[in-house]
Amino acid sequence: AQSVTQLGSHVSVSEGALVLLRCNYSSSVPPYLFWYVQYPNQGLQLLLKYTSAATLVKGINGFEAEFKKSETSFHLTKPSAHMSDAAEYFCAVRNSGGSNYKLTFGKGTLLTVNP
Amino acid sequence: DSGVTQTPKHLITATGQRVTLRCSPRSGDLSVYWYQQSLDQGLQFLIQYYNGEERAKGNILERFSAQQFPDLHSELNLSSLELGDSALYFCASSGDSRATEAFFGQGTRLTVV
Repeated sequence: AQSVTQLGSHVSVSEGALVLLRCNYSSSVPPYLFWYVQYPNQGLQLLLKYTSAATLVKGINGFEAEFKKSETSFHLTKPSAHMSDAAEYFCAVRNSGGSNYKLTFGKGTLLTVNP
Repeated sequence: DSGVTQTPKHLITATGQRVTLRCSPRSGDLSVYWYQQSLDQGLQFLIQYYNGEERAKGNILERFSAQQFPDLHSELNLSSLELGDSALYFCASSGDSRATEAFFGQGTRLTVV
């Protein structure tokens, strides 16, 4: 079964600094990978997804992620953090088996942005 | 706004009771997924329906059941509630059965007292 591991349950950066949130996946088939963001008391919002096309994926709000097969990684980055980026971020992999498809999520990384 | 509507937003109930959570998917989406989010377990997949039929099952307790109606809305029924069932329950929808792109609702926060 496919799975994802998010390294670091809490990341703290200064406003204007680089944001790097780490995600490693395990999959026996070419994966579909996703990053979602959850603001306090909100649902999950899709930031970006990788579906085996371009390895560098651009998403909303200035975020991007690079799929690296050799490292089984799909890290999320943003060049300059804004206060509004403070939220919890989830990496997910689409599990597939027969006719069953579902998203399996990592434990999440809470991003804090300091002024 | 994702277009996925969940009601109610908050629910407080006593142990042993039964509740129903409702989800209206985005217009035209045929798949509905239910997830449970708790502090200790994180986001756990419960069940998926596609066009009225159960398609995949995850870590769903026998006390829980779901269905998808002809108008494509879905309900998650939780019975014999226990304190440990307190969590945020999310519904997501996608246009296909393959979770190519899933859109999440705002969730229902269930508190069992």
